[in-house]
Amino acid sequence: NAGVTQTPKFQVLKTGQSMTLQCAQDMNHEYMSWYRQDPGMGLRLIHYSVGAGITDQGEVPNGYNVSRSTTEDFPLRLLSAAPSQTSVYFCASSYSTTYTGELFFGEGSRLTVL
Amino acid sequence: GEDVEQSLFLSVREGDSSVINCTYTDSSSTYLYWYKQEPGAGLQLLTYIFSNMDMKQDQRLTVLLNKKDKHLSLRIADTQTGDSAIYFCAESPGSSNTGKLIFGQGTTLQVKP
Repeated sequence: NAGVTQTPKFQVLKTGQSMTLQCAQDMNHEYMSWYRQDPGMGLRLIHYSVGAGITDQGEVPNGYNVSRSTTEDFPLRLLSAAPSQTSVYFCASSYSTTYTGELFFGEGSRLTVL
Repeated sequence: GEDVEQSLFLSVREGDSSVINCTYTDSSSTYLYWYKQEPGAGLQLLTYIFSNMDMKQDQRLTVLLNKKDKHLSLRIADTQTGDSAIYFCAESPGSSNTGKLIFGQGTTLQVKP
């Protein structure tokens, strides 16, 4: 199994450009989420989904959109990139029924906005 | 709201014990977690503890939980250079699994030979 796959691994954007970070998991997990990691701030939740067709906002949702049309995919869209969105983005997934709530992470997408 | 706090940096000598501390705010969290992030990689679950436990031991790792003070610690015995990484404490807010975890800032562990 591939687990959680994120693409691209690296991206450079100019201010105002839009792009989509892709996330796919092959573990049939119901829950999927997007976090951003910034130095000294840990991981902050952007958006999450508890199943296909259901999404909700996390701690820092502004400037990002998500959709969940299938169980496997959970893309993150940056509508109009800003330098403040320079970060490392992690997609994660988990089972809904596991009692531990363990998250499985992708390897990250490093985004630089100039 | 929910909050998780950790110190940012710890440096130890190879062979010593490392203790990484964490405080959290949600007393209803059912599970608390320690994740490890190696350079250029995603996070991997290192260990977790159920909220009705005080201690959990797993080989070189010991997790201590003080629910009264909302304090969690991770002790790594006989620390090796391969243990150098960022360690994140996390809680699952609320009493049920929601797929959301709240993470601390991460503690960078530096192990000197």
